Amino acid sequence: AQKITQTQPGMFVQEKEAVTLDCTYDTSDQSYGLFWYKQPSSGEMIFLIYQGSYDEQNATEGRYSLNFQKARKSANLVISASQLGDSAMYFCAMREGDTGGFKTIFGAGTRLFVKA
Amino acid sequence: DTEVTQTPKHLVMGMTNKKSLKCEQHMGHRAMYWYKQKAKKPPELMFVYSYEKLSINESVPSRFSPECPNSSLLNLHLHALQPEDSALYLCASSQGPETTGEAFFGQGTRLTVV
Repeated sequence: AQKITQTQPGMFVQEKEAVTLDCTYDTSDQSYGLFWYKQPSSGEMIFLIYQGSYDEQNATEGRYSLNFQKARKSANLVISASQLGDSAMYFCAMREGDTGGFKTIFGAGTRLFVKA
Repeated sequence: DTEVTQTPKHLVMGMTNKKSLKCEQHMGHRAMYWYKQKAKKPPELMFVYSYEKLSINESVPSRFSPECPNSSLLNLHLHALQPEDSALYLCASSQGPETTGEAFFGQGTRLTVV
């Protein structure tokens, strides 16, 4: 079974609007971390935001926020006030702390296109 | 400083060549990783080094040989590669293998095998 599921291969958003990128995960571990990474066409993988499984508050980093719904096993990324430079591939990822060997595993990714 | 530096950025090599990819971090991280990424796919884990010891090898062919000379450096030695090994190779590091915290990635090496 897939551990990380991103159901949106591509998303379009108008500049200055907010967009939500979906991510669901599957784990039986109690301790795990969830992440979002941005990968522009240059190839580098840029860390955006982290949510620990025991964190009760949703993580926020500037224009990025992570909508963490533990019972539903979802960790959606919200980007507010989209900018043209936000156009990139976005990966949701997870590290399992109990049985997963602390390996970071990635979803298939969502390509975001920001329109002017 | 959250920087992971990879060299070279681009590499073209023949199937009989031997080359090495290098990765360096100065964040005091004790876990370092090699990932392989094909176009339009997510990164796939190859190797994990934990406290300078190889802790995970994801059934990678022996033509890829990792090395961790010290806690800041990670190398990937390449020998007798195949054209299907052409990909983006990403190095990453994280604070410790026993944590669920984030990993930081380098810019990657785009490898083309001819």
